[in-house]
Order: sequence, then structure tokens, then C-alpha cells
Amino acid sequence: ILNVEQSPQSLHVQEGDSTNFTCSFPSSNFYALHWYRWETAKSPEALFVMTLNGDEKKKGRISATLNTKEGYSYLYIKGSQPEDSATYLCAPSSNTGKLIFGQGTTLQVKP
Amino acid sequence: NAGVMQNPRHLVRRRGQEARLRCSPVKGHSHVYWYRQLPEEGLKFMVYLQKENIIDESGMPKERFSAEFPKEGPSILRIQQVVRGDSAAYFCASSGDQGAAYNEQFFGPGTRLTVL
Repeated sequence: ILNVEQSPQSLHVQEGDSTNFTCSFPSSNFYALHWYRWETAKSPEALFVMTLNGDEKKKGRISATLNTKEGYSYLYIKGSQPEDSATYLCAPSSNTGKLIFGQGTTLQVKP
Repeated sequence: NAGVMQNPRHLVRRRGQEARLRCSPVKGHSHVYWYRQLPEEGLKFMVYLQKENIIDESGMPKERFSAEFPKEGPSILRIQQVVRGDSAAYFCASSGDQGAAYNEQFFGPGTRLTVL
């Protein structure tokens, strides 16, 4: 796994807006795709582990989709709240579980 | 219900000294991963260990860095003869036994190493 790209790099939205980010990764030798949420001064927190093409997972207002054939995943946040402000990281994993992190998308939600 | 614990949280060393970073995984977890975040960069994988074994060390610098995860006690990341370029945040993560690629990894709070 070489290049993991996330876009946009940063995002500023108003409270109540819905938003989405993109993670693209090499589609060959795919095992799993992990999404993490990382708040300032805290530890990265796992959101989803996705494995199947077409998979869609949801946790509260946050959901994610996965396309392993074309090598991308979307993360959606519905009705953003200030507490959603964080950096969102995606990371495909190797067969040994090594996570290859993207640079992240930093979300700032203004009240 | 302790999560992953790392100590120290902050470590200051002078060039040439040794740094020892400790990681206690979630109780019952036997898989430990170390990641490093250099200034202005993202998280980069360093090494993956199971109890008493190094499984994948493809991200470890070839010299001065070593890691262990003994049968008893925490995992240790050891950096000998530190240089300023080693200044970074070092994160440990642990996971259970469901299959390495598919496991959720639980991260510790990190150790911030500063080399003077």
C-alpha cells in the first residue's frame, strides 16, 4: 500500500450542515479500510472497520461507504455539531494489520 | 476498564541518551502496534508485535530502534543514542485476536519525545 489520499485537507462548516470527505487508496491487495476520529489532545478513536465492497456502516450521525474495486471510501456527517470538530483519518490495513494512514481531513464546525 | 496506557506521557532527552517508551495494551489484547507522528506529518507505522514475537517491523528505522513485547509486562520501544530527528509523538495501539487486518486498534494517549 503506497498512497492514501484524503480530501479535502480541511473543512469549515456551520452547525447543522451535512458534510462528506473522501479517502482514496490503491485497490489491489485490499484487506480492510479503517476510519478514525482524532480530537486535539486525545487518542485516535476507531469509527469503522470496513471490509466488503459496497459496505455501508453507520454510527449515529456518521456513516461511511466503501468501494474496493475503484479504491475509495466516503465518510458522511449529517447535521454537524461543534463536538464533531476533529481530524478524520482513513487507513487501509495490510494483511498484518499495519495501518497506512492518510493525512486526514480536519473538520471545524462553527456554532 | 483501562484502555491502552503509555508512559511517560512526555519525555525529554539529550542527544546521545536512550529513550524507553512503555505501552500497556488493553487487558486481554495480545497484539501491539507502534506508530510515530513526526512534526507536521501524519501517523506512520513502525512495528507490530505479538507476545514475544515481532511480526512486522517494516516501518522501523534500521538502526538505534528496537521493540519488544515480553510474555509479562508492557511493550517497550527503545531508541538508543537519540538525535533531534527522533523528536515526535509515539503512539501505541492494541487489538484482540479476530484477525490482524480486520481488528479495531485501540490507541493510547501517546508519548511526546523531545530531544534537546
